[in-house]
Amino acid sequence: ELKVEQNPLFLSMQEGKNYTIYCNYSTTSDRLYWYRQDPGKSLESLFVLLSNGAVKQEGRLMASLDTKARLSTLHITAAVHDLSATYFCAVDTYSGGGADGLTFGKGTHLIIQP
Amino acid sequence: NAGVTQTPKFQVLKTGQSMTLQCAQDMNHEYMSWYRQDPGMGLRLIHYSVGAGITDQGEVPNGYNVSRSTTEDFPLRLLSAAPSQTSVYFCASSDRTRLEQYFGPGTRLTVT
Repeated sequence: ELKVEQNPLFLSMQEGKNYTIYCNYSTTSDRLYWYRQDPGKSLESLFVLLSNGAVKQEGRLMASLDTKARLSTLHITAAVHDLSATYFCAVDTYSGGGADGLTFGKGTHLIIQP
Repeated sequence: NAGVTQTPKFQVLKTGQSMTLQCAQDMNHEYMSWYRQDPGMGLRLIHYSVGAGITDQGEVPNGYNVSRSTTEDFPLRLLSAAPSQTSVYFCASSDRTRLEQYFGPGTRLTVT
């Protein structure tokens, strides 16, 4: 059974600081996703990581994937209040057969204070 | 394109009542799925479909039925609602590569 663990689950940080959210998963995966969710809203796709060593950046967010360690990180640089949200990582064991779906971590609730 | 739409946005049911949560997409996506989101649990897969006429169970299928008679629609049925089914339900769709999943706005269901 695939398990996805995120840490920390709750993070309060100050504007201007850097921090990293970690996502570990238990079995070999083809792809890893990062989503953002604002309160009462749906999920917004941030990154899709498809291969070992993949790194993607958008603004102050950068995601990376190490498939050997079964670890992905979401790094926040010089945080601003607008990045306050809940961040989820999710793993898809898609193999071309179309079976199953995403397995999500429990989410990291991020609060960025002035 | 409207993307993925879900109705209703909110629903309150009494224990034992039945209802159908609607999900539709206008992107001609083969793959559609239903997730439930509970506090502190992330999202969990209920059922999914890889095309019209094909459905299968996810992680938490008990108490839910689905069907896929058309490519566009993927309704989720609660036959006899229970308080444990109080949750926020999200429908998602993607093409056959599943490289990008598109999530609907969600349905917030309360069972009393």
